[in-house]
Amino acid sequence: DIQMTQSPSTLSASVGDRVTITCRASQSFGSWLAWYQQKPGKAPNLLIYEASSLESGVPSRFSGSGSGTEFTLTISSLQPGDFATYYCQQYNTYPWTFGQGTKVEIK
Amino acid sequence: EVHLLESGGGLVQPGGSLRLSCAASGFTFSSYAMSWVRQAPGKGLEWVSVISGSGGTTYYADSVKGRFIISRDKSKSTLYLQMNSLRVEDTAVYYCAKQSPHSSRYGVWDPWGQGTLVTVSS
Repeated sequence: DIQMTQSPSTLSASVGDRVTITCRASQSFGSWLAWYQQKPGKAPNLLIYEASSLESGVPSRFSGSGSGTEFTLTISSLQPGDFATYYCQQYNTYPWTFGQGTKVEIK
Repeated sequence: EVHLLESGGGLVQPGGSLRLSCAASGFTFSSYAMSWVRQAPGKGLEWVSVISGSGGTTYYADSVKGRFIISRDKSKSTLYLQMNSLRVEDTAVYYCAKQSPHSSRYGVWDPWGQGTLVTVSS
């Protein structure tokens, strides 16, 4: 199985900050990576697919990059509604696997 | 608008069975792969199973292989997850999710249902 490791596990930031979350894979797999946002008590919401493609309706302050084994999600200017947990997920190889999550908290 | 509504969760004893349903609307059900993803209380996401649009292809996580069966009914626009030989570690919120139309590959999910809680306990 491909193991996905996110860092940091928790991130404290303020509104307006630039935030970067990293996701590392145990094996290289190109760009078949997605990012999801999950708020407490809610279902995950797709932000990014194919590592860098922004899902329609997602604000442009979200961006993704990377390929192979290292990927990043960047929020250019953190907004109040962005405080949530973020997950990366590889869909290159079964079983599809998620990172453990990164919780973005208010500083 | 796409809408997914799970049902069928509840409390079951270890070794028992449960069938989850996911009623879909707002899209051509047979045109999209569907998946189940679960989340144990306070934990991260774990992919469980996927089924192709036609229903002819299925895949499972090793943790549920041989115990869970995914299926779909085109006439009812409904996805199912039959869960047998349930274990305490199967306790989780179970989400159904629709394949994103934008990705060129299986495995990207949008949207997701609101989830249904399965609790396995004696």
